[in-house]
Amino acid sequence: AQKVTQAQTEISVVEKEDVTLDCVYETRDTTYYLFWYKQPPSGELVFLIRRNSFDEQNEISGRYSWNFQKSTSSFNFTITASQVVDSAVYFCALANSGGSNYKLTFGKGTLLTVNP
Amino acid sequence: DTEVTQTPKHLVMGMTNKKSLKCEQHMGHRAMYWYKQKAKKPPELMFVYSYEKLSINESVPSRFSPECPNSSLLNLHLHALQPEDSALYLCASSQLRGVTEAFFGQGTRLTVV
Repeated sequence: AQKVTQAQTEISVVEKEDVTLDCVYETRDTTYYLFWYKQPPSGELVFLIRRNSFDEQNEISGRYSWNFQKSTSSFNFTITASQVVDSAVYFCALANSGGSNYKLTFGKGTLLTVNP
Repeated sequence: DTEVTQTPKHLVMGMTNKKSLKCEQHMGHRAMYWYKQKAKKPPELMFVYSYEKLSINESVPSRFSPECPNSSLLNLHLHALQPEDSALYLCASSQLRGVTEAFFGQGTRLTVV
C-alpha cells in the first residue's frame, strides 16, 4: 500500500519568509515517482515537479527548491522569500510505475497562507 | 499549449436530473482521468482512460458514467446523484509514456440539491 503524509495541515507566514512544506511517503516499490502540485483557490492543480526514485538530486527552480531523501522517505519543498501569490494548498503525491496507467496517491495537503 | 478545459465551471443539479461534465485537451495526451475532490480533502481518482478505453474504475457508483468519445474529449455523465456527491470534479490528462506529470483542469464545482 502507498501512503503520503503531509503532517502540516496549515502554515501561515509573513511575506519574504522562507517556508518548508514536509512530505513523507511510504511505498514497497523500488521504482516510484513523487510530485508536488499547487492548488490555488481557483481549483486547478498546477504541476510543480516530478521526481523519480532513482534521481535523488535536489532541484531548484527560482524561489522553489526540493529536497529528496530516500533514506528518510521524504520529499520536502521549500519556498524562499515567500510571496502572497504563493498562498495555496500544496499537495505531495506518489505514483508507482504500474505501466501506462498510474494512480496518484495524494497527501492531505498543506494550506499555505502568506500574509503581506 | 498545456491546458485542460472543463465545462461547466459550476453546476447545480437536482437529484433526478441528468447532466454531463465535459473535459477537453489538445496536448496529444492519450491518458485522461477523472478525480473527485471534497472540500479540504485531496483529490480521489475515479476513472482512467488509456487510448480512449476505460482502464481503471475505482469502484465508482454507476450513477457516474464516463465516456471518452475521442482522444481529446472526456465526459462524465451524471444521473440520480445524491447530495453527498457535491464536490469539485477535476479532469486531468497525461502522456502514456511512463509516469509523467498529469495536467489538471480548473474543475467543475458540482452541487446536488
